[in-house]
Formats: sequence, C-alpha cells, structure tokens
Amino acid sequence: GIQVEQSPPDLILQEGANSTLRCNFSDSVNNLQWFHQNPWGQLINLFYIPSGTKQNGRLSATTVATERYSLLYISSSQTTDSGVYFCAVEQPGGTSYGKLTFGQGTILTVHP
Amino acid sequence: DGGITQSPKYLFRKEGQNVTLSCEQNLNHDAMYWYRQDPGQGLRLIYYSQIVNDFQKGDIAEGYSVSREKKESFPLTVTSAQKNPTAFYLCAGTSNAGELFFGEGSRLTVL
Repeated sequence: GIQVEQSPPDLILQEGANSTLRCNFSDSVNNLQWFHQNPWGQLINLFYIPSGTKQNGRLSATTVATERYSLLYISSSQTTDSGVYFCAVEQPGGTSYGKLTFGQGTILTVHP
Repeated sequence: DGGITQSPKYLFRKEGQNVTLSCEQNLNHDAMYWYRQDPGQGLRLIYYSQIVNDFQKGDIAEGYSVSREKKESFPLTVTSAQKNPTAFYLCAGTSNAGELFFGEGSRLTVL
C-alpha cells in the first residue's frame, strides 16, 4: 500500500513563530487532506488539497502531486495551534472511495 | 446541531465482553468509516461503508464487526476476539466533495 511520511515528528515553537510541516507520499493520489487533532482528541479537517495551494487565515497548504509531497504552513502560531497534525491520502482507482491512509503525524507545541 | 455523534465518550469493559460503540450522523453522508488510534500513532482503518447494507473491511478488521442498516447509523462492535481493544475509536463520514469529517471519538479501556 501507499506510504505516508510526515516530518518533523515533533516541533516546538514560541508563540508568533512560523512553521512548515511536510507530508511525503509514495504513489499517486487523488485525495489529500490535512487534519488537526486537538489535545482532547477531536480531529478537525483543515484542508482538502489534492493539488495546488489553499489558504485559510493563518494556515495555508500546497500540494505538488507530481513530486509527491504536500506542505502545511502555519504563520504567527498561537498556543491554540498545539496538537497533532495529520496528513492523509487516497489512491486513485478501485472501489475504495474515501479510504484514506494516514501519516504518523507531527506533534506541534506552541509555548506562550 | 449537525454533525457526527459518537457515544459513549468513555467506556470501560472487562476482558471477554463485547461492546458496541454508537455513531450517528445527520450530514447525509453516504460513506462512513471507523478508525482506531493508539497512543502516539496515526489512524488505522477498521471498517467502512459506502452505502446502506454494505460494508468493507479496512486494514485491521479482525475482532470487530459493523452494521449499516440505516444511512444515519454505523455502529461498531468490539468483540472479545479483539486481542488489544484498548484504544481511541473515531467515526467519520465523507462529504460529496470527498472531505472527511470526524466525530469526537470514544475512548475504550479494557480492565
């Protein structure tokens, strides 16, 4: 199956700093999503971004499908950005619509 | 409120007992999913269902069972055959655009 690798595994920031999280995948994808898991376990969908660039407030994401990676940018980080960020992908074809494979996540800690 | 509702949030079970986790949605999602998360790990797919009365095994289906009798409901049963059931269980649904939305999760502890 497809392999999804996220880096770095851990990231510690001071409030106000910027950061870039990376997601590499081993095969073609037709679906890529970024999620934030808060300290209580709730997973929030940040971006649906199989290709191109999207922005939502202080967060933006870019996927270069031909080179098999995606980047999540967090600017002016806040303590509420702390948590785990997951990248998840789906391979094209077959009958497994919506069957996402998750990376191991990046643990982000933002200190005040 | 709309969304995906899981219950219970916390559940304790004795070894050898079956337990059923509820997942209800009012988002009209055709496809629904159950994922398992272990501490410090990513999510692994247990079962998924794309339409009513149909479901498929995911990557770690052994020791679990599901049903999909109604579009709104996708309960997961953790059976006594599941060797290591203590985990955080997440139910999700897919919008027409392919975006995945999660419930708040159910934390199962086997005593």
